[in-house]
Amino acid sequence: EDQVTQSPEALRLQEGESSSLNCSYTVSGLRGLFWYRQDPGKGPEFLFTLYSAGEEKEKERLKATLTKKESFLHITAPKPEDSATYLCAVQGGANNLFFGTGTRLTVIP
Amino acid sequence: SAVISQKPSRDICQRGTSLTIQCQVDSQVTMMFWYRQQPGQSLTLIATANQGSEATYESGFVIDKFPISRPNLTFSTLTVSNMSPEDSSIYLCSVEGATGGLNYGYTFGSGTRLTVV
Repeated sequence: EDQVTQSPEALRLQEGESSSLNCSYTVSGLRGLFWYRQDPGKGPEFLFTLYSAGEEKEKERLKATLTKKESFLHITAPKPEDSATYLCAVQGGANNLFFGTGTRLTVIP
Repeated sequence: SAVISQKPSRDICQRGTSLTIQCQVDSQVTMMFWYRQQPGQSLTLIATANQGSEATYESGFVIDKFPISRPNLTFSTLTVSNMSPEDSSIYLCSVEGATGGLNYGYTFGSGTRLTVV
């Protein structure tokens, strides 16, 4: 059965304080691992798709990496506008996504 | 990537009534997905809607409670029937971000925040 575990549940950072979010997964036949950002009252916003171990993708202050068992979302010098819940999801044999419970990030000015 | 218009954005409903949520996509898509996000929880797939066939429901979700229509390749509705307070959630529709691969991920609507009183 597909399983996604995200840690920590919540993270508070000072502006400029870099950190990483973790997503551990178990899936049969990984087709893709996805990172999303969700702001309160809104639907998830797509950030990255990673397909295979060793792959990395970057967007502004965010960098996502993937191994065979986990993915990291690295946030470099975060700003208050990076505050959101970050969701990790995997796609295995089915067409839908299986989501983790997310990491709620707060960046303090 | 695909753009989704979902409505209503929020509603407060009496228990025992039904609410129909609409999802309109700006391009033709084969599959549309309906998710539920309960307070403080992550997204859980309710069903997959294909045009021209019955929706496929995940374990724990049934057609009588969550009937789905998919009349064409750009539109779908989800009805939450005979509502109880436990149905209070955010309901989201989703489609592939773009054809030809997953590099655009899956696009989500802005969600419908349902409160049942």
